[in-house]
Amino acid sequence: DAKTTQPNSMESNEEEPVHLPCNHSTISGTDYIHWYRQLPSQGPEYVIHGLTSNVNNRMASLAIAEDRKSSTLILHRATLRDAAVYYCILRDGGSSNTGKLIFGQGTTLQVKP
Amino acid sequence: NAGVTQTPKFRVLKTGQSMTLLCAQDMNHEYMYWYRQDPGMGLRLIHYSVGEGTTAKGEVPDGYNVSRLKKQNFLLGLESAAPSQTSVYFCASSQGLYQETQYFGPGTRLLVL
Repeated sequence: DAKTTQPNSMESNEEEPVHLPCNHSTISGTDYIHWYRQLPSQGPEYVIHGLTSNVNNRMASLAIAEDRKSSTLILHRATLRDAAVYYCILRDGGSSNTGKLIFGQGTTLQVKP
Repeated sequence: NAGVTQTPKFRVLKTGQSMTLLCAQDMNHEYMYWYRQDPGMGLRLIHYSVGEGTTAKGEVPDGYNVSRLKKQNFLLGLESAAPSQTSVYFCASSQGLYQETQYFGPGTRLLVL
């Protein structure tokens, strides 16, 4: 399974944009890039995913490098509620065909008022 | 829709005792997963199921057994609990593979003394 590398922690001010980076240099052509976040004492929740093109939804935007070896999750205006651990995950696109998620340690985002 | 529910929310066991964690989903999803999360760590896959009547091992299956007798339920069993199994257990489900969102339950906190 391809691995991802994320910074351990980041800080942001409320109402400002946040760019959370992720490196995945060994990504394969069929791997989707998924982002999940985990609020304190809760289960993870889906944020966004993409394959090659940039993606937008109501929660965030995902910018994918042209060579797909890195991506950035963008929160356009951070709120206190966005303080969480953010996981960048490559969805199992290999022959094992399980769809399982491989979680790393993620990035802990702190949002300051 | 209740989504993914887990029973119980919290449990204390003594070493050697057995217990079963129940996961239920009302979204008619084919795929179900059991993860564990130790303090400060990402989630690790214990077992998963790609359909009713099927189960398979994940990253850390030792000491656990699972069953998927009904499509909506996925049971995780500990036959003889050990302190190393103290963790938070999360269940998840999804309809498909690479692109499909995984929906997580709220977790079960297990303490083994």
